[in-house]
Amino acid sequence: EDKVVQSPLSLVVHEGDTVTLNCSYEVTNFRSLLWYKQEKKAPTFLFMLTSSGIEKKSGRLSSILDKKELFSILNITATQTGDSAIYLCAVVGTGGGADGLTFGKGTHLIIQP
Amino acid sequence: DTAVSQTPKYLVTQMGNDKSIKCEQNLGHDTMYWYKQDSKKFLKIMFSYNNKELIINETVPNRFSPKSPDKAHLNLHINSLELGDSAVYFCASSHAGLVQFFGPGTRLTVL
Repeated sequence: EDKVVQSPLSLVVHEGDTVTLNCSYEVTNFRSLLWYKQEKKAPTFLFMLTSSGIEKKSGRLSSILDKKELFSILNITATQTGDSAIYLCAVVGTGGGADGLTFGKGTHLIIQP
Repeated sequence: DTAVSQTPKYLVTQMGNDKSIKCEQNLGHDTMYWYKQDSKKFLKIMFSYNNKELIINETVPNRFSPKSPDKAHLNLHINSLELGDSAVYFCASSHAGLVQFFGPGTRLTVL
């Protein structure tokens, strides 16, 4: 069965700080790893990673995948209060049941002004 | 303009009732999914449906059944609702199993 472990489960920082969120995984027939941001409603897509060592970047957010060590990190620099959310890591493989995403429990990030 | 939509947004019902949640996507995606998010915010896949092939997560009770009238819709029917079914249910869709886009969710409360 596919498994995703995120750490930390919660994190409180001040505006302007840089944060690193971690995601490790075990997956059968790895296809991709995805990061989502969930505020009050639906998860919204941030990144999809399929290859090791290639950084994906979008503004202050960036992410990288290490397929050898089976983990990914999501970095947020110069955090703002609007970055407060639950960040979800998910993998696509063939051991997750129903061919869907297997999610971690998320990191609840709180940015204090 | 909404890519993935669900109705209703909120559903409050009594134990033992049968209810349905509708999902529609206008992205032209070939695969649709249902997820359950529990009170601890843990998202878990329930079903995926692709071109008439339904794949069921073995942990889902058979009181839950998805029905797809066409490629753009995947509705979720739940029979004999139980207290433990209370959760937020998300529909999602993707093309070729890649990035999944989620609907706004339906908060189901069983009394």
